[in-house]
Amino acid sequence: DAGVTQSPTHLIKTRGQQVTLRCSPISGHKSVSWYQQVLGQGPQFIFQYYEKEERGRGNFPDRFSARQFPNYSSELNVNALLLGDSALYLCASSPRASGGSNSYEQYFGPGTRLTVT
Amino acid sequence: GENVEQHPSTLSVQEGDSAVIKCTYSDSASNYFPWYKQELGKRPQLIIDIRSNVGEKKDQRIAVTLNKTAKHFSLHITETQPEDSAVYFCAASTTSMDSNYQLIWGAGTKLIIKP
Repeated sequence: DAGVTQSPTHLIKTRGQQVTLRCSPISGHKSVSWYQQVLGQGPQFIFQYYEKEERGRGNFPDRFSARQFPNYSSELNVNALLLGDSALYLCASSPRASGGSNSYEQYFGPGTRLTVT
Repeated sequence: GENVEQHPSTLSVQEGDSAVIKCTYSDSASNYFPWYKQELGKRPQLIIDIRSNVGEKKDQRIAVTLNKTAKHFSLHITETQPEDSAVYFCAASTTSMDSNYQLIWGAGTKLIIKP
């Protein structure tokens, strides 16, 4: 079974540019969450999508946006990049099926390492 | 909102000894507590989790305990091996269908296994 995939693996952008990160969840998983992990810290929650609807948003500015497609893949967009946006961006998928004992386990992709110069 | 604190930030143990990492949480509505292991440059990997309806769960050399009254949970690793060296994160979440299953993470513990 394929795990969570993310693209690209690495990305270098300059301040003020825009970036789009992509995530494909595990087959059958309907929920995708995005996290930002700055070096040496734990992941910080950005968004969660379930059945193509936003179900949660962390404490991030409006420069961050996301969407989920009918096939449950997801994109994270960041506009007007700042140096502080440099981080590992992680996508996690979970089944989130009602009644399932494992429905809220989150499985992570390899991440996209974004460097803003 | 939920806040998760994790201790210690660094833990160094002799190979073969046990390691214990502790976390506390603030939101009494949290009912799902996973632990993740992250090796350098790699993704977090779920190693064990516990739900609030049980007090302890074991999986081979790894165990997690939960004290709902005190709002703390701990990871126990016995007979530590060099491959256990990594950063370990605890997290907390609510799991009702109305919630967003948002994971709130601790700051991480760097576990060093000394040969």
